[in-house]
Amino acid sequence: AQRVTQPEKLLSVFKGAPVELKCNYSYSGSPELFWYVQYSRQRLQLLMRHISRESIKGFTADLNKGETSFHLKKPFAQEEDSAMYYCALSGSGPGQNFVFGPGTRFSVLP
Amino acid sequence: EAQVTQNPRYLITVTGKKLTVTCSQNMNHEYMSWYRQDPGLGLRQIYYSMNVEVTDKGDVPEGYKVSRKEKRNFPLILESPSPNQTSLYFCASRREVTDTQYFGPGTRLTVL
Repeated sequence: AQRVTQPEKLLSVFKGAPVELKCNYSYSGSPELFWYVQYSRQRLQLLMRHISRESIKGFTADLNKGETSFHLKKPFAQEEDSAMYYCALSGSGPGQNFVFGPGTRFSVLP
Repeated sequence: EAQVTQNPRYLITVTGKKLTVTCSQNMNHEYMSWYRQDPGLGLRQIYYSMNVEVTDKGDVPEGYKVSRKEKRNFPLILESPSPNQTSLYFCASRREVTDTQYFGPGTRLTVL
């Protein structure tokens, strides 16, 4: 079964501090991993997906198949990074569900 | 503009009064899904559809129905709403099963 865990419900750091939002998954095949962000009162939007290997808004995420993790990192937090962050997984077979983690509410303190 | 739209955006209703939340996408996407978002529980998938006339249950389908008669539309139907269905609902679509999901703006539903 597909499952995504995000161990931190809440995470706060000071502006300029490094950021790491943790995500672990369980899936027997080759998953597609995503990070979505939801700013206050807005819809979810894609932040990144692992196959693109891009750096978006200064964030990076590396898929570690050995540790089944897809942690989101940024070297220096900015106040505009405050949002709800969801890690998500999609299976590659037909009819596979798209599963979200429970989310981490991330706050950057001035 | 490529987008997913939902209507209504806000709805207050009473227990047992049937309601429909519409969802439409203009990107010709095959896959569409409905999620509910609740504090502390994140997003949970209610139903999804892989194509016209092909739907399947997600993680929390009880009390909901869907239909996919046209590719662009995927309405969510609550035949007899109950207070535990008070939530924020999101519709989403994607081109392929492993592709990026595009989300609608959300529908905040309150069932009294």
